[in-house]
Amino acid sequence: GENVEQHPSTLSVQEGDSAVIKCTYSDSASNYFPWYKQELGKGPQLIIDIRSNVGEKKDQRIAVTLNKTAKHFSLHITETQPEDSAVYFCAASYSGAGSYQLTFGKGTKLSVIP
Amino acid sequence: KAGVTQTPRYLIKTRGQQVTLSCSPISGHRSVSWYQQTPGQGLQFLFEYFSETQRNKGNFPGRFSGRQFSNSRSEMNVSTLELGDSALYLCASSLGGRATDTQYFGPGTRLTVL
Repeated sequence: GENVEQHPSTLSVQEGDSAVIKCTYSDSASNYFPWYKQELGKGPQLIIDIRSNVGEKKDQRIAVTLNKTAKHFSLHITETQPEDSAVYFCAASYSGAGSYQLTFGKGTKLSVIP
Repeated sequence: KAGVTQTPRYLIKTRGQQVTLSCSPISGHRSVSWYQQTPGQGLQFLFEYFSETQRNKGNFPGRFSGRQFSNSRSEMNVSTLELGDSALYLCASSLGGRATDTQYFGPGTRLTVL
């Protein structure tokens, strides 16, 4: 099965700085890589995703890069704001026989200091 | 369009009891997945249903079971509860049940086992 490693586990940045979270995965068959943001008391919310036929995707202050050869992908948040403070999860979608499942990293707690 | 809804939001049970959690997916979504979230283990895949069929199951004991109805609503059941079953149980739905489909999460059901 798939295994996803996520680093760092905690990250503190000053408001306005950039934040980078990195993930590696083990199964070369995985082809979908979403990132979720989870705020206290809420379910994970999709913030950006990337599919294996794309190397980079950007949505305003958020970007994701994928290196399939090295089996790693990263989340980049620029011009961070206090409301970006949350736990971020990366995931890889693993396709099995007729089904699939998301395997998640352990999460990164991002704190943006005003 | 309404998001994924889960009921109840909070539940307190005692060891040995059983519990049933409910999930209503986004209208038109046919795939429902369940995840267990704990501080120690993170987000772990429980099972996935598509068109009333369980297509995939994670590494959980047989005490954990589920089903999906013809309207795509899903329930999961945990029998003979143990203290270690205390967790946030999350349901996610996707449109077509493919590995590259986006999964949208509900707010979760917080289960506490005493």
